[in-house]
Amino acid sequence: GNSVTQMEGPVTLSEEAFLTINCTYTATGYPSLFWYVQYPGEGLQLLLKATKADDKGSNKGFEATYRKETTSFHLEKGSVQVSDSAVYFCALSPQTGANNLFFGTGTRLTVIP
Amino acid sequence: EPEVTQTPSHQVTQMGQEVILRCVPISNHLYFYWYRQILGQKVEFLVSFYNNEISEKSEIFDDQFSVERPDGSNFTLKIRSTKLEDSAMYFCASSMARQGSGEQYFGPGTRLTVT
Repeated sequence: GNSVTQMEGPVTLSEEAFLTINCTYTATGYPSLFWYVQYPGEGLQLLLKATKADDKGSNKGFEATYRKETTSFHLEKGSVQVSDSAVYFCALSPQTGANNLFFGTGTRLTVIP
Repeated sequence: EPEVTQTPSHQVTQMGQEVILRCVPISNHLYFYWYRQILGQKVEFLVSFYNNEISEKSEIFDDQFSVERPDGSNFTLKIRSTKLEDSAMYFCASSMARQGSGEQYFGPGTRLTVT
């Protein structure tokens, strides 16, 4: 079946530190992969996506590379800011069949000055 | 920028009561979804809706749940007789196209507390 396993949180970093949030997935075929972010009091917003193997999604300094061989889509940012404090969700959309998203549990990131 | 809105932001209800959660999707979107997240667990798909009917639903979406698009703007989720385990954050989403080609836009969620 389809599932996403995401790094447990919470994660606390100092400003300008390097961020990695791990995400691995199980799916048949070639799913599309996503990172969503939820800022306090807001809905989930698409942060970046990748639709095929070796694609790199990037946005706002965040990057994630679709690794088919390791079934992973880890989120990275070289230098986090206080404004990056949020909950980050990894998700997949199956290649065929269901048109819903399968999410991980979410990782809460807190960046301290 | 258009956004999905949800009301109320927090709903407290007693076990056995009916609740209706409301969503206003983005106006030109065609696909609508409900997801929920029980505290500390994954965001789970409940149901998708297209062309005035349910297109897919998960095992969670049993006979206690129903969805409706009563007019051209609202999309509602009804829980007929709430149980303690229905306590969760409920997210509405909408998209222009089926997932894979269309991004889903999410609302801020309604926190449902069943006592």
